[in-house]
This record gives sequence, C-alpha cells and structure tokens, in this order.
Amino acid sequence: ILNVEQSPQSLHVQEGDSTNFTCSFPSSNFYALHWYRWETAKSPEALFVMTLNGDEKKKGRISATLNTKEGYSYLYIKGSQPEDSATYLCALNAGNNRKLIWGLGTSLAVNP
Amino acid sequence: GAVVSQHPSWVICKSGTSVKIECRSLDFQATTMFWYRQFPKQSLMLMATSNEGSKATYEQGVEKDKFLINHASLTLSTLTVTSAHPEDSSFYICSAFIWGEGWASNQPQHFGDGTRLSIL
Repeated sequence: ILNVEQSPQSLHVQEGDSTNFTCSFPSSNFYALHWYRWETAKSPEALFVMTLNGDEKKKGRISATLNTKEGYSYLYIKGSQPEDSATYLCALNAGNNRKLIWGLGTSLAVNP
Repeated sequence: GAVVSQHPSWVICKSGTSVKIECRSLDFQATTMFWYRQFPKQSLMLMATSNEGSKATYEQGVEKDKFLINHASLTLSTLTVTSAHPEDSSFYICSAFIWGEGWASNQPQHFGDGTRLSIL
C-alpha cells in the first residue's frame, strides 16, 4: 500500500515569517506529485504538478521542489500572509491513470 | 476557468434515505470525474472514477450498489448514496479533468466544494 506523509501536521507562524513543509512518498512508480491549497469552506486549488526530479516551481510567494530519487517534495512560502492560512495537501500519482494518493495535509495558520 | 459546482453542500437525513450529490463542470467538458470521501482526521480517499457514457470504476472496498454513479453528459456526474446509514456520514467531494488535456498524469484536478453528509 502506497503511503504519502506530510509534516508537520500543523503550523502556526507570524505574518511575514517564511515557512516550509514536507511531503514524503515512495520513490518507486513515480509519475507526478501534486500540491493543492485548501481553504476552509472552499474547494481545493491546484498549486503545482511536478514530474521531473530536481524540478522547482514558483507561484508568487509559494514555491516547491521535488526529489524523486529520495521521495520528497518541499513547499515553501515566503513572507507568509494571513490569507495563506489553509491546509496544504500533496498527492502522489503513482501510475499513468490519474489516480491520486493523498497526504493528510499541513494546516497553516498565519497570525497577523 | 475550470469551475466545478457541487450540490448540495450539506445534507442531513434519516437512516434509510437515498441521497443524490451532483457534480457539474461549468465552463469545461469533463470526460472523467473522480469521487472522493474523507472521514475525520483521514486523507481524501478515492471512491470511484466516473467516465462519461460508461460504467464507473470503483476502488477496492467501495460497494457499487451502495454508491451509484451516473455520468450521462460531459458536464455532469452524480453520486447517489442508496439507503444511507450513519456509517455513510462523511465528506464527499468530486473533481474533474478538462477534456482535451489528454491522459497525461501531470494535469491538475479541479474540485467542487464538497458535500457534508450526516445520516441520523
């Protein structure tokens, strides 16, 4: 059974702090790693889909890196803002069939 | 773009009732939609893959006669929880891919807002 782990489970930071979270996954059968941002009472929003080892993607103050050989991805948020408060989910596509295996998420709270 | 509308948002009903949840792609066509379930403190779990014009593919352990899926058009998939019982109480959410993006695994999924189902 494939398992996707995310850490930490939750995080409280002050406005302006930079932060990062980890997504760990089995490195065998890797096709893609997805990151989503899920605000309360809204739908999950796709941030990145990463496929290549060493890939780095950026969207505003948020960036992500990928290491498929060791099975991890980091998500970074630079200068956190209260509107960044959400649960950040990663999901592994372990086969070319679009099925995703999800982590539990990291819940981020940014205090003003 | 890529908006998915899911209704209803909340359902509270008595045990034995059947509940239908709709998932619509508003501004794109979706040949494939996914239905997920999430229990408290657990991750999103794929229940089934819904394909337009064909039978849904269910994940292991998901009863197809219990969770009926209909994907009759390129913009609408429905999930019906038949004869729901308290153990079916959960958060259900759908997602879709934009038709035409091919079968590449590197395309994001577009989600509805989810349905909170409570069976008394």
